[in-house]
Amino acid sequence: GDSVTQMEGPVTLSEEACLTINCTYTATGYPSLFWYVQYPGEGLQLLLKATKADDKGSNKGFEATYRKETTSFHLEKGSVQVSDSAVYFCALRRGGATNKLIFGTGTLLAVQP
Amino acid sequence: DVKVTQSSRYLVKRTGEKVFLECVQDMDHENMFWYRQDPGLGLRLIYFSYDVKMKEKGDIPEGYSVSREKKERFSLILESASTNQTSMYLCASSFTRGGRDTQYFGPGTRLTVL
Repeated sequence: GDSVTQMEGPVTLSEEACLTINCTYTATGYPSLFWYVQYPGEGLQLLLKATKADDKGSNKGFEATYRKETTSFHLEKGSVQVSDSAVYFCALRRGGATNKLIFGTGTLLAVQP
Repeated sequence: DVKVTQSSRYLVKRTGEKVFLECVQDMDHENMFWYRQDPGLGLRLIYFSYDVKMKEKGDIPEGYSVSREKKERFSLILESASTNQTSMYLCASSFTRGGRDTQYFGPGTRLTVL
């Protein structure tokens, strides 16, 4: 069945460091791919998404490119801030008429000043 | 702004109690979802609803039931709470598709079953 695998955390970085959080997926067809972020004490919110191969989603300085050949959707940011400290979830939208998502296990990012 | 609210942020219940978790959304979304979030397991879908009075089991429905009597409200029911249901419960809602499929989440309810 469909699944999402993302790198385990925690990831600890200094402010202004580069970030990459790896995400790979297994799915039939052409799923839409998402990154959601969960700040401390809050629910999840959409960070970015891509709906077809080679699409690049971007938001708040974060980017991810839908790579069908490597079935990946890695999250990147060139310079992280303390305020980026959160849990990041990669997800794919399942096929069919409904809007069900499959989530990865989440990666905790801690950015130190 | 889309708003998804959950009835409680923190809840403590005893084993065997019946527990109701309420979720309300104000965006006229067709779909509503209940997830539980556990460390190392990510989010797992318990139930979802694609219309009033319609529901479908997710990946881990055992021990749970749901109710959707009105479009804006989706309730999760633990018929007889057990300690292994101690978790963070997240509600979400969305339109169905057509480029508007973003799921919007509530702040979560942290349930502890003693």
